[in-house]
Amino acid sequence: DIQMTQSPSTLSASVGDRVTITCRASQSISSWLAWYQQKPGKAPKLLIFKASSLESGVPSRFSGSGSGTEFTLTISSLQPDDFATYYCQQYNSYLYTFGQGTKLDIK
Amino acid sequence: EVQLVESGGGLVKPGGSLRLSCAASAFKFSSYFMTWVRQVPGKGLEWVSSISGSSGYMYYGDSVKGRFTISRDNAKNSLYLQMDSLRAEDTAVYYCARGRVGALRDAFDIWGQGTMVTVS
Repeated sequence: DIQMTQSPSTLSASVGDRVTITCRASQSISSWLAWYQQKPGKAPKLLIFKASSLESGVPSRFSGSGSGTEFTLTISSLQPDDFATYYCQQYNSYLYTFGQGTKLDIK
Repeated sequence: EVQLVESGGGLVKPGGSLRLSCAASAFKFSSYFMTWVRQVPGKGLEWVSSISGSSGYMYYGDSVKGRFTISRDNAKNSLYLQMDSLRAEDTAVYYCARGRVGALRDAFDIWGQGTMVTVS
């Protein structure tokens, strides 16, 4: 199975900050990577698919980049609504795997 | 509004069985791969199982293979997960999710609200 490793596990930031979360795959997954946002008690929400494509309705302050084994999710200017947990997911193989999550909290 | 609504969760004893359902609305259900993902409260996401639109292909994670069965009824716009030989480690919130463009290799763009399964 392809292992996905996110860093950091926890990130403290302030409104207006630019933040970056990294996701590394144990083998190349081309651009078959998605990013999700999850808030407590809610289902995950798709933000980015195919590594860098913004899902419809998602604010443009979210962006994704990378290919192969290293990927990043960037939030250009944090808003109060962005404090949540973020997961990457590979879908290069149907044995889908998720990263362990990055909790973004308020500094 | 495109929507998925899960039901069927609850408390079951180890070794018992449970059947989860997921009702889909406002999209052509038969055109999409559908997936179950679970999450232990406070922990990360784990893919459980996926099924193609025509039910011709079914895939399972190693932790549930041989115990869980995914199925669907396109006439009823419904997805199911039959869970047998349940273990304490199956305790989780179970989400159904839709593949974004109907392919096997796909991100999940629509998720249900989740249904809690407790094995104890």
